Amino acid sequence: AQSVAQPEDQVNVAEGNPLTVKCTYSVSGNPYLFWYVQYPNRGLQFLLKYITGDNLVKGSYGFEAEFNKSQTSFHLKKPSALVSDSALYFCAGFSGNTGKLIFGQGTTLQVKP
Amino acid sequence: EPEVTQTPSHQVTQMGQEVILRCVPISNHLYFYWYRQILGQKVEFLVSFYNNEISEKSEIFDDQFSVERPDGSNFTLKIRSTKLEDSAMYFCASSFIVELFFGEGSRLTVL
Repeated sequence: AQSVAQPEDQVNVAEGNPLTVKCTYSVSGNPYLFWYVQYPNRGLQFLLKYITGDNLVKGSYGFEAEFNKSQTSFHLKKPSALVSDSALYFCAGFSGNTGKLIFGQGTTLQVKP
Repeated sequence: EPEVTQTPSHQVTQMGQEVILRCVPISNHLYFYWYRQILGQKVEFLVSFYNNEISEKSEIFDDQFSVERPDGSNFTLKIRSTKLEDSAMYFCASSFIVELFFGEGSRLTVL
């Protein structure tokens, strides 16, 4: 079965420190992978995607993610966290075979000043 | 920048009532979706729609649910007889090929 997993319910980091939010996937075929961010009472805002090409993809607000095929991972990173980055982050995977986006369970990022 | 718009932003209804949630996808997009998120939890796929028909639906999308694109611009989700457990945030999304763009959601509260 196709799945996307985010092993951490919450990640805490101090402002200015690097952050990592983890994601692993299990999808058939070539995976298309995404990160979305959700602020309280808001919709899902696209951050970045991996379709093909460079394993390191850069997205909005200074976020980047690294696609690692051997580890089936797509971790979200940022070199220097901001308090305003505090939100709920979702990793999602899309296989060309299924036509639907499968979401991880979400990770709450808390950046403390 | 084009965006997916959803109405209403919040609807409160009594159990057993019919609800219609409306979405206007991005105009040149071909694929349309409804997802559901129960408060603060995982985002769950409900249904995808392409070429005026359902292309895939989840187990959640039972006979109480239906979708249609009545006029070539709106994309609606109807829940025929709402249950308490239908209380959730419902997100519409559209895509041209791969990347999904989501609306801000419609919060449904069933009392």
